[in-house]
Amino acid sequence: QVQLVQSGAEVKKPGSSVKISCKASGGTFSTYAINWVRQAPGQGLEWMGGIIPIFGTTNYAQKFQDRVTTTADESTNTAYMELSSLRSEDTAVYYCAKIHSETTFYDAYDMWGQGTVVIVSS
Amino acid sequence: EIVMTQSPATLSVSPGERATLSCRASQSIYSNLAWYQQRPGQAPRLLIYGASTRATGIPARFSGSGSGTEFTLTISSLQSEDFAVYYCQQYNNWGTFGQGTKVDIK
Repeated sequence: QVQLVQSGAEVKKPGSSVKISCKASGGTFSTYAINWVRQAPGQGLEWMGGIIPIFGTTNYAQKFQDRVTTTADESTNTAYMELSSLRSEDTAVYYCAKIHSETTFYDAYDMWGQGTVVIVSS
Repeated sequence: EIVMTQSPATLSVSPGERATLSCRASQSIYSNLAWYQQRPGQAPRLLIYGASTRATGIPARFSGSGSGTEFTLTISSLQSEDFAVYYCQQYNNWGTFGQGTKVDIK
């Protein structure tokens, strides 16, 4: 069964960018979409976007369209999410999550990473 | 964008009792709905997908029902580990989440 391990916590200045990694182990990586979901302090879950590694196909929520980029490196089974032009409202825990079915964005998320805390502060 | 609305925001239940959580979609999502459990300080965990199919390893006390715009998650007999926040998610059109229902101890 696939396990997802994310990179460590980040502290960033407003206006800068952050890039978070999500490494998969123990199963197939390339054919399952990896999505990114964030959770602001005390708030709910917010889908940001995702990628299907084998195709390089991406989809982004309209809210983040201009600021988020998701990529994947099949050679290392690692997905990445970069968020630019950071502001204080981007302070949150960021999760990667694997889609249940192959080669689609339209399914539940059956495995989640442990989360990466990003703090945006001057 | 499809909006998911969960009710109630908080549900107070005694251990051993039944809990019923609701989720409504702003338009039909057929059976493209999942339920997740999130305990404090942990990542969400998939409970139900396809509106009614339990994920691997999920106890039978969790059940899901509904289709179209109205969905329900039922926990038949609450255990101590079930006190958590529950989210529904539609994946018919990308993936939007409800705002969550907190199940706490009465």
